[in-house]
Amino acid sequence: NAGVTQTPKFQVLKTGQSMTLQCAQDMNHEYMSWYRQDPGMGLRLIHYSVGAGITDQGEVPNGYNVSRSTTEDFPLRLLSAAPSQTSVYFCASNAGGTIAGYTFGSGTRLTVV
Amino acid sequence: KQEVTQIPAALSVPEGENLVLNCSFTDSAIYNLQWFRQDPGKGLTSLLLIQSSQREQTSGRLNASLDKSSGRSTLYIAASQPGDSATYLCAVTGGGNKLTFGTGTQLKVEL
Repeated sequence: NAGVTQTPKFQVLKTGQSMTLQCAQDMNHEYMSWYRQDPGMGLRLIHYSVGAGITDQGEVPNGYNVSRSTTEDFPLRLLSAAPSQTSVYFCASNAGGTIAGYTFGSGTRLTVV
Repeated sequence: KQEVTQIPAALSVPEGENLVLNCSFTDSAIYNLQWFRQDPGKGLTSLLLIQSSQREQTSGRLNASLDKSSGRSTLYIAASQPGDSATYLCAVTGGGNKLTFGTGTQLKVEL
């Protein structure tokens, strides 16, 4: 089982560039989420999805777009990168309910210069 | 809005010591609580999950407890080892199946 796969692992962008962070899971999980991790701020929820075709905003959604066309994939798009988006991004998935924990990808370290 | 607090923010102990990490949350309407470990520059590894109906879970030298009514959880690490050095994160799953994290406890176990 691959679990949650994130690509790329590292990325450097120039201010104003756009890019898509990829996330895929092979566990048939309904719930998927994107988090960013910044020093002193912990992990904060950007966007989440409760199933294919359904997405919603988290705590820090500005500057990011998501879509969920399939159960497996949940890409995160940066439309016009800003230095404030320099962070480590984690994708996670969950089957839902009380007994299912979250599984995380290995992260994408993004630097915007 | 759910808020999760972890105390202490950092902890340094000698090898072999037993230790307790604390986590508190403001909204007791949770599905479950997870403890994660994160090594520097790495991803999150799930250590233990406690369902909302459970009081504790054990895995090897780790024991996590949950008191949902008071909004508290503890992670007990027995006989600490240098390899336990990492950041420990507490997270609760609440409404909408959303996960809310604490800011973590950075643990250093010294020889």
